[in-house]
Amino acid sequence: QKEVEQDPGPLSVPEGAIVSLNCTYSNSAFQYFMWYRQYSRKGPELLMYTYSSGNKEDGRFTAQVDKSSKYISLFIRDSQPSDSATYLCAMSSISSGSARQLTFGSGTQLTVLP
Amino acid sequence: KAGVTQTPRYLIKTRGQQVTLSCSPISGHRSVSWYQQTPGQGLQFLFEYFSETQRNKGNFPGRFSGRQFSNSRSEMNVSTLELGDSALYLCASRRAGDLTGELFFGEGSRLTVL
Repeated sequence: QKEVEQDPGPLSVPEGAIVSLNCTYSNSAFQYFMWYRQYSRKGPELLMYTYSSGNKEDGRFTAQVDKSSKYISLFIRDSQPSDSATYLCAMSSISSGSARQLTFGSGTQLTVLP
Repeated sequence: KAGVTQTPRYLIKTRGQQVTLSCSPISGHRSVSWYQQTPGQGLQFLFEYFSETQRNKGNFPGRFSGRQFSNSRSEMNVSTLELGDSALYLCASRRAGDLTGELFFGEGSRLTVL
């Protein structure tokens, strides 16, 4: 079983829809949680970063972390065609040596249809 | 500020050959990590270098190696290429002192092994 599980999709939604992307994890040492966005033929770019349970909002994006359930989510409101990309969750712990290593989910491919 | 630069962007090799990929981190970033991305396995950690020293290594065979130079530029080498080594190889750099794992990725080197 992988440390981080993510539904690979693909996920296709109409423009303006609310999108929910999710990851579960098994390693309770994970303290930092990130969402990366990767456009086709590009490297991943950091979208959201959180380190505590609860919600963090940035414009149309909301990252949610539930450490008790080992579950994180990314919500996209009023989705746009420009949001079409692969979304990767990533996590790291503060343990010495592993703090510098991210564990990624497999990525969810999202298409927002105009 | 220039981002992470990777060369070459695309290359084709045949089985048994070796390949060297290059990465220039963001100016001032001293940590460089390498990841392999494939459709089946997602992003997998290869190794991380800091101040010319390898700090972390993922679960890859010894055919995969790397190094870092005094100017923080890094190279990774794959010897005796196998078909399964076909992948997007991503380099990422990190701010000095960062413990969270936030990475800045390059656009990758896409390797095809025939």
